[in-house]
Amino acid sequence: QSALTQPASVSGSPGQSITISCTGTSSDVGGNNYVSWYQQHPGKAPQLMIYDVSNRPSGVSHRFSGSKSGNTASLTISGLQPEDEADYYCSSYTSSSAYVFGTGTKVTVL
Amino acid sequence: QVQLVESGGGVVQPGRSLRLSCAASGFTFSSYGMHWVRQAPGKGLEWVTVISFDGSNRYYADSVRGRFTISRDNSKNTLYLQMNSLRAEDTAVFYCAKDYYDSSGHGFDCWGQGTLVTVSS
Repeated sequence: QSALTQPASVSGSPGQSITISCTGTSSDVGGNNYVSWYQQHPGKAPQLMIYDVSNRPSGVSHRFSGSKSGNTASLTISGLQPEDEADYYCSSYTSSSAYVFGTGTKVTVL
Repeated sequence: QVQLVESGGGVVQPGRSLRLSCAASGFTFSSYGMHWVRQAPGKGLEWVTVISFDGSNRYYADSVRGRFTISRDNSKNTLYLQMNSLRAEDTAVFYCAKDYYDSSGHGFDCWGQGTLVTVSS
């Protein structure tokens, strides 16, 4: 159950688009379509942003989108806004009926 | 509205035990799988364990298997985590979280505010 690999940090200017990668194995990310993404502001609980690779829960901005290719999933934030500055985590269901989170990415809005 | 409230955290010595609780409201608790997720100070999220809607299936992270036990009381809308043989590396904020759908894999759509567990002598 090794953590999924994410870049430690990603930054962008307001209005730009950024993409966060999440790399796993064929036992997790590559083995199903159960990848989810979470946003966490300092001192707060995580919030579900994307589920099942590319679906947005109601209330989540259309600026957030997800995709997957092989063992790597991606979260794209379009039209970056100051309130998007936060930590982002991917998560995947695994072949052993467990779950694994990514290492986390700090997004900075310049 | 959907709400999860954890309790039971505190300071405990290495090797001792602690039981966390998570009170659920605003949804049909008995229909959803429930999880514990933890976050060490300044670190990332770590999934700990899950229990199915009826308690018949439970899965654990390797780091806690054999020491932690998840359970639920659907009559009380409450989730539990019994933690034994605690270690310094178990120090973390523990969150309870709800399955998004009434089946596995789809993510966690509601989280509690977290309860801090500190393991120290």
